[in-house]
Amino acid sequence: NAGVTQTPKFRVLKTGQSMTLLCAQDMNHEYMYWYRQDPGMGLRLIHYSVGEGTTAKGEVPDGYNVSRLKKQNFLLGLESAAPSQTSVYFCASRKHRGGDYGYTFGSGTRLTVV
Amino acid sequence: QQQVKQSPQSLIVQKGGISIINCAYENTAFDYFPWYQQFPGKGPALLIAIRPDVSEKKEGRFTISFNKSAKQFSLHIMDSQPGDSATYFCAASINTGNQFYFGTGTSLTVIP
Repeated sequence: NAGVTQTPKFRVLKTGQSMTLLCAQDMNHEYMYWYRQDPGMGLRLIHYSVGEGTTAKGEVPDGYNVSRLKKQNFLLGLESAAPSQTSVYFCASRKHRGGDYGYTFGSGTRLTVV
Repeated sequence: QQQVKQSPQSLIVQKGGISIINCAYENTAFDYFPWYQQFPGKGPALLIAIRPDVSEKKEGRFTISFNKSAKQFSLHIMDSQPGDSATYFCAASINTGNQFYFGTGTSLTVIP
């Protein structure tokens, strides 16, 4: 059981380039999330999805887009990368809404924009 | 606005000592409070969680203390070990909500 898999694990982009981060989960979870982690700022929610075909903005959505065409996949896109988007990105999934269903996180994607 | 405030930012504890990390919140609608542990290069993993109907929950060396009236909760790590060295995040959620709100994290170092 792989859980939550993120690809790629590392990436270096030039300013203005675009890329897509892929998150895949095999737990049949309904809810999926994209967070970014920056030193001293904890985990900040970028976008999330409560089901296939639905997405919603989180705390820091600007500069990012997402899609959830299949239940098991949640894609995070950067249309025109900026140095401020240098961060570690984590995908998480959750079975249902409700406190007893905690997040399962992927191992992260370290993105550097130069 | 940070929904959950966490302190300290970093903590150094001797092996065998007690590590204490504190979190505070304002939203009284929060009804689930998990703690996550993150090792370098890994994603956070659920460590222990509590609901506000109890004041304490213990799992092995890890204990959550919850003070509903003060809107504070804390993680205590008893007999801290070098293997506990990690970043710890507190979080809070509303049962009817869609997301967790995380603290800013505490980097714990346990020295031998």
